[in-house]
Amino acid sequence: QVQLVESGGGVVQPGRSLGLSCAASGFTFITYAMHWVRQAPGKGLEWVAVISNDGSNKYTADSVKGRFTISRDNSKNTLYLQMTSLRAEDTAVYYCAKANLKVISRGGVDPWGQGTLVTVSS
Amino acid sequence: SYVLTQPPSVSVAPGQTARITCGGNNIGSKSVHWYQQKPGQAPVLVVYDDSDRPSGIPERFSGSNSGNTATLTISKVEAGDEADYYCQVWDSSSDHPGYVFGTGTKVTVL
Repeated sequence: QVQLVESGGGVVQPGRSLGLSCAASGFTFITYAMHWVRQAPGKGLEWVAVISNDGSNKYTADSVKGRFTISRDNSKNTLYLQMTSLRAEDTAVYYCAKANLKVISRGGVDPWGQGTLVTVSS
Repeated sequence: SYVLTQPPSVSVAPGQTARITCGGNNIGSKSVHWYQQKPGQAPVLVVYDDSDRPSGIPERFSGSNSGNTATLTISKVEAGDEADYYCQVWDSSSDHPGYVFGTGTKVTVL
């Protein structure tokens, strides 16, 4: 079955950088776009970024544009999120998720990983 | 940017029907997806592309979308349906396309 395992979360000071990884298994990774979605403590879901199956297309939420970079290594079945200039408001659980269909703009995302907590605090 | 509005809460008795709305400008022209999130767990897709169900999702979950409102309907509500529910659409109307989530609705089973 599909499995997505995030790693790399932790406590980081404001203004610093942090990288997240998501190891994927149970499906043909190169076939599907992949997403990052975050959820601040006690708050709703916020979509962060998506990368197409071959990495040629990337879209990022305005709230993180210019600071966060999504990438993937299809040879390693791994998705990444590089976060720079972190702010307190970036504190959240970060989920990676597989596109449900082979078209980025349709189908939603399914399934999701268990998430990794990023805390930005001095 | 595109805004999706959901009621903060919906209460329903077991066995009854819960309807959760998601409002957005001309949302009927977009594909709407719905997620269920229970406390401490990752979200689960329950309806995609307005009215399709992923495998393993009960037929009690259904969706519709028209005009400025999309609706998730949960029939014969069970205690296990108590959760937060979020709608989602792909917004391609701006220079920066991407997914947008609704504000979320907490469903309480009385």
